[in-house]
Amino acid sequence: QQQVKQSPQSLIVQKGGISIINCAYENTAFDYFPWYQQFPGKGPALLIAIRPDVSEKKEGRFTISFNKSAKQFSLHIMDSQPGDSATYFCAASPPPPGLILTGGGNKLTFGTGTQLKVEL
Amino acid sequence: GAVVSQHPSWVICKSGTSVKIECRSLDFQATTMFWYRQFPKQSLMLMATSNEGSKATYEQGVEKDKFLINHASLTLSTLTVTSAHPEDSSFYICSATQGGETQYFGPGTRLLVL
Repeated sequence: QQQVKQSPQSLIVQKGGISIINCAYENTAFDYFPWYQQFPGKGPALLIAIRPDVSEKKEGRFTISFNKSAKQFSLHIMDSQPGDSATYFCAASPPPPGLILTGGGNKLTFGTGTQLKVEL
Repeated sequence: GAVVSQHPSWVICKSGTSVKIECRSLDFQATTMFWYRQFPKQSLMLMATSNEGSKATYEQGVEKDKFLINHASLTLSTLTVTSAHPEDSSFYICSATQGGETQYFGPGTRLLVL
């Protein structure tokens, strides 16, 4: 129930095209869905994130579409560029624990990653 | 803002030695820090959750006596890999939060145990 399934595993897109990466989850307690971009040898960087109360969020060329009933969300990269070539991870986390519980912060469950290559 | 650093960026050590990795939040106070390991072409695997001033919470299957975590201040957490062996060779990444859900990741530390 804690899994986040991500597809495709790899993706090749022509420059200027649209890259689409999909994720699905089971745990209905998840309420925060970020996407991270990771270049080889570097740590992940937060791209964009969404909560279930909206169906779409756009930041520049990056858009998250969220379908609460289907428990699916996707990342769309418009006008894909060679510099976008990287590995993308979706993730999900539940609400923060209450004060009576030990620990703080929200554990992220990551998808398996998508290696995107944007060709000239 | 929200910058997390790690030191060292890479380390090579002999089998049986211990290695300490530092994770620092540079411009914010991190109530919680997380430690991950990542094998080549794989996803991030959470090892432990660290809160300042309390014992770390380890994920199932992670040996707490082998991976010692100390979160001594609101800006510093350390991971010590004790008696390292070649199978511990991996990319170790930390992240930090300011109390909300957003995790800011460090640049990672590549460990090679010979």
